[in-house]
Amino acid sequence: EIVLTQSPATLSLSPGERATLSCRASQSVSNYLAWYQQKPGQAPRLLIYDASYRATGIPARFSGSASGTDFTLTISSLEPEDFAIYYCQQRSNWPFTFGPGTKVDIK
Amino acid sequence: QVQLQESGPGLVKPSETLSLTCSVSGGSVNSGSYHWSWIRQPPGKGLEWIGYIYYSGSTNYNPSLKSRVTISVDTSKNQFSLKLSSVTAADTAVYYCARVPLYGGLDYWGQGTLVTVSS
Repeated sequence: EIVLTQSPATLSLSPGERATLSCRASQSVSNYLAWYQQKPGQAPRLLIYDASYRATGIPARFSGSASGTDFTLTISSLEPEDFAIYYCQQRSNWPFTFGPGTKVDIK
Repeated sequence: QVQLQESGPGLVKPSETLSLTCSVSGGSVNSGSYHWSWIRQPPGKGLEWIGYIYYSGSTNYNPSLKSRVTISVDTSKNQFSLKLSSVTAADTAVYYCARVPLYGGLDYWGQGTLVTVSS
């Protein structure tokens, strides 16, 4: 099973700041990695798929990149509604797995 | 707009079978472009992919749950279902159904339903 490790566990930032979230895979997942945002009491929402493609309706301030087994989600300028938990997920090998999440909270 | 809605008992006794149904509207489970998935999230914890089904009925289950899981599809009702047998307290979670394009991420999710395993 592919293990995804996310860092940091918590990121404390202010609105308007840049957020950089990391996800590392235990082995190659090609670019089959997605990012999700989850707010309390809600289902996750797809942000990025295949490492760098924004899902429908996702603002341009969200971007994804990849380098080998290291993946990054960047939020260029945090809006108040962006404070949430972010999960990465791979679909390279079954079982598809999720990372443990990074919580972005207000500093 | 595609919508998914989970339904089923919110309380299940230990050793019994958890049964949930996901009703799909605005799209068809009979489409060859998607898998239909079940994912769960224990309270305050992360996400676990339980398994998925294709319109043809072919399935893939998480090895950690494979011996206890059955996912089925009813194309006539535009629904798919989850059965998890011999449940314990460790199966207490919010259960989500979701759509997965063959290429991409989980793009539509149900709102989730909390299932508690308790006597």
